[in-house]
Amino acid sequence: AQKITQTQPGMFVQEKEAVTLDCTYDTSDQSYGLFWYKQPSSGEMIFLIYQGSYDEQNATEGRYSLNFQKARKSANLVISASQLGDSAMYFCAMRSTNKLIFGTGTLLAVQP
Amino acid sequence: DTGVSQDPRHKITKRGQNVTFRCDPISEHNRLYWYRQTLGQGPEFLTYFQNEAQLEKSRLLSDRFSAERPKGSFSTLEIQRTEQGDSAMYLCASSLVQGRGAEAFFGQGTRLTVV
Repeated sequence: AQKITQTQPGMFVQEKEAVTLDCTYDTSDQSYGLFWYKQPSSGEMIFLIYQGSYDEQNATEGRYSLNFQKARKSANLVISASQLGDSAMYFCAMRSTNKLIFGTGTLLAVQP
Repeated sequence: DTGVSQDPRHKITKRGQNVTFRCDPISEHNRLYWYRQTLGQGPEFLTYFQNEAQLEKSRLLSDRFSAERPKGSFSTLEIQRTEQGDSAMYLCASSLVQGRGAEAFFGQGTRLTVV
C-alpha cells in the first residue's frame, strides 16, 4: 500500500536560515510522482515542487529544492533563506494511480 | 482570478440537514478531485472526475455523499443527513490528465461545521 510518512509534527527555523522537512514514502509502483504543498492558515493548498521517480536530477523551484533519495525512499524538502511568510503547514504527497496520498504534515514556524 | 474556486468558504449546519458545496475548477483542466481534511491530518481522497465521468470513489464516501460534474465543468458535493463527524475542510482540486503538468491545484476549501 502507498504511504507517506512525515515524522516532524513541528519545526522552528530562524529567518534567513535553511530548513529541511523530512518525507519518506512507501510504494510498489515503478513510476510515481512526489509533491510538496504548503498550506497557510487560510486553508488553500499551494503547490510548491514536483519530483518524478525517473527524474535524474533533484527538482528545484526558486528557494525550494527536493532532496530525492530513491534508494532510501525519501523526498525531503529544503527551503533556503527562510522568510516569515514561509510559516505554514507543509505536506508531502505521492501520486498513486489517479489521486494524491498525503502525509500528516509538518508545521513550520519561522522566527524573526 | 483563474484558480480553483469553492463556495461557500464556511458552512455551519445542524445535524441532520443536507448541505451542498460547489467547486469551479481551472477552465482547461479536465480532472476534478474532492478531498476531505480533518484537523491535524493531511487531505484524504474522496472522489475524482475526468470530464463528466466519476471514475473513482473512496470508501470514505458513504452513501450520504454524492458528487456530480454534470457538464464536465463545475462540480457539486452534497452531504445528506449530516453528522458531527462530517465536520471538516472539503477541498476541491483540478488538474490536467496525467503528465508532467499534472500537478493538482487546490481551491481554498469549504469548512463545514456540523452542530
